Amino acid sequence: AQSVTQLGSHVSVSEGALVLLRCNYSSSVPPYLFWYVQYPNQGLQLLLKYTTGATLVKGINGFEAEFKKSETSFHLTKPSAHMSDAAEYFCAVSDGGNQGGKLIFGQGTELSVKP
Amino acid sequence: DAGVTQSPTHLIKTRGQQVTLRCSPKSGHDTVSWYQQALGQGPQFIFQYYEEEERQRGNFPDRFSGHQFPNYSSELNVNALLLGDSALYLCASSLVVGGSTSPLHFGNGTRLTVT
Repeated sequence: AQSVTQLGSHVSVSEGALVLLRCNYSSSVPPYLFWYVQYPNQGLQLLLKYTTGATLVKGINGFEAEFKKSETSFHLTKPSAHMSDAAEYFCAVSDGGNQGGKLIFGQGTELSVKP
Repeated sequence: DAGVTQSPTHLIKTRGQQVTLRCSPKSGHDTVSWYQQALGQGPQFIFQYYEEEERQRGNFPDRFSGHQFPNYSSELNVNALLLGDSALYLCASSLVVGGSTSPLHFGNGTRLTVT
């Protein structure tokens, strides 16, 4: 069965510092992987996705993630944090190889950005 | 271009009561999924509707039921409410294309509190 583990429920960085949010997955089939962001009192917004092809995926707001099959990882990075990046981030894997089908989400990582 | 809309935004119910939540998908989408997000947790898949039928179901009891209408909108019904049903209920829509579905677009959710 597919599963997702996000390492670190809270991450705090200074404005301008590197952001690194960790995600490891377990999947019995080639995975579709996603990162979503959730701002307070809002739904989830898709940051980026990996389906097939290039393993380095670029998303919105300067975020990117690299799919590493050998490490079963899909870590999210941003070179320089901005105050507006403070939010909850969720990594997810598709259950069944379908982008819009059932997604299995991690527990989430809350990102704080200090001025 | 209207996104996913959910109503109501907040709801307070008493244990044992029944509740109905509503969702209109993003314009052009034909598939609706429902997720439950407990406080501090990642979203958990409840079920997905396509062509007015339940296509996939997560690990939720039969107290959770749904419906999709010809205009693709959807309802989530929960009977015999328990305190543990208190959560943010997220609706997500997608489009079936060539046998697969596009990534999920989420609404802002309905916050259900059971007292």
